[in-house]
Amino acid sequence: DAGVIQSPRHEVTEMGQEVTLRCKPISGHNSLFWYRQTMMRGLELLIYFNNNVPIDDSGMPEDRFSAKMPNASFSTLKIQPSEPRDSAVYFCASSFSQGARQPQHFGDGTRLSIL
Amino acid sequence: QKEVEQNSGPLSVPEGAIASLNCTYSDRVSQSFFWYRQYSGKSPELIMSIYSNGDKEDGRFTAQLNKASQYVSLLIRDSQPSDSATYLCAVGRGSNTGKLIFGQGTTLQVKP
Repeated sequence: DAGVIQSPRHEVTEMGQEVTLRCKPISGHNSLFWYRQTMMRGLELLIYFNNNVPIDDSGMPEDRFSAKMPNASFSTLKIQPSEPRDSAVYFCASSFSQGARQPQHFGDGTRLSIL
Repeated sequence: QKEVEQNSGPLSVPEGAIASLNCTYSDRVSQSFFWYRQYSGKSPELIMSIYSNGDKEDGRFTAQLNKASQYVSLLIRDSQPSDSATYLCAVGRGSNTGKLIFGQGTTLQVKP
C-alpha cells in the first residue's frame, strides 16, 4: 500500500516567493496533519483536518501560512511570502480517524530552504 | 514547563544492552501515548503505542505507562547498532482529537 506522499522532497527558493507543499494521504484515512520540524523547536503540529475540514489551526505561525484540503486525497500548505525563518522540514501525516488512539503515519517530508 | 519532556541525550549503550528512554507529560487528561523512531534525515516511524497503565511488549520493545506519575518509557532489549536513532515520545489529548504533542526526542547511540 502506498504511504503518505509529499512533494516536492526538496525546495530551495528566495525570500518573498510563494511556496506550495503538497500531500496525498493514505487512501481511506480521514485525518490529515501538517507538521514542521526544526532543531530548535522540534516537531510542531501546524494544522489538522478531519474529513477535509480544518479542526485545529492553532499551530499555524502567522497569516503567511495557509492550508487547504479540497478533497480526501489532496492537501496543500502554502507560505506567502516566504521568509528565511520558515526553513524547516515539513511533514504531512494521516490517520484513519481523529480518535486519540489512531496512530499517525508520516510522509517523507519536504525539506524547505528559504534563502 | 514543556508539555512533553524528554532527555535529549545522547544516550549511549553498548550493543546487546537494554536502552531505557523516558518521557514525562504535563496534561493529566492525556489518553494515548506513542513512541516514534526517526533516523537522521528520515521521517518519524511509529514503533509502539500504549493507552493503559502497565507494560506493553512488542518484540524487543516494551512500552511502560504510569498515568499517576505522568510518565511513559520505552525499553529496547538487546540493543543493536541499527537502533541508533532519535526516539520521539508523542502524547494525545482527550478522546476525540488526533492532536499529538511531541517531545524533543532522545538520541540513542548503540555502540558495537
